[in-house]
Amino acid sequence: AQSVTQLDSQVPVFEEAPVELRCNYSSSVSVYLFWYVQYPNQGLQLLLKYLSGSTLVKGINGFEAEFNKSQTSFHLRKPSVHISDTAEYFCAVEGSSNTGKLIFGQGTTLQVKP
Amino acid sequence: GAVVSQHPSWVICKSGTSVKIECRSLDFQATTMFWYRQFPKQSLMLMATSNEGSKATYEQGVEKDKFLINHASLTLSTLTVTSAHPEDSSFYICSALFDGANVLTFGAGSRLTVL
Repeated sequence: AQSVTQLDSQVPVFEEAPVELRCNYSSSVSVYLFWYVQYPNQGLQLLLKYLSGSTLVKGINGFEAEFNKSQTSFHLRKPSVHISDTAEYFCAVEGSSNTGKLIFGQGTTLQVKP
Repeated sequence: GAVVSQHPSWVICKSGTSVKIECRSLDFQATTMFWYRQFPKQSLMLMATSNEGSKATYEQGVEKDKFLINHASLTLSTLTVTSAHPEDSSFYICSALFDGANVLTFGAGSRLTVL
């Protein structure tokens, strides 16, 4: 069975500082990996996704993530955060069967302080 | 772009009543849609996969008779919470898989409060 672990439930960081949100997955098959952002009382917005090819994936809002197969990780990074980046971030995995069925991690709350 | 609309965005109901939530793909066809449930400050838990023209596939532990799913057209799936109780209060989110493309789009969610 596939699973996703987000190692940090909350990440406080000052504005303009770099940030990394960690995500590890467990799967016996090839996977597709995703990062989503959720603002309060809203649905999910896709930040980026890894399907194949280059292991460094660039997304919206200046975020990027690196797929590391040997470490089964897909950490999300941003070199300089803004107050507006304060939100809940979810890592998700989908089996390569491309079903659209996602398994989500527990979420990480990014708190950007002025 | 692919847009998914959920309605209502907020609903408050009395215990024992039933509530229907709609998930519509506005500009694309979606044979497959998904329903998730999210408790406060928690992750999204997949409840079921909704398939147009056939029965939904429920995840383990989700009561089929409690959460009725109907996917009667290629653009609409509905989730009906029957005989709702306060413990059913939650944020329900749907997603739709764009037929013929690897595009998955989420709705904005529906917050259900059962008094």
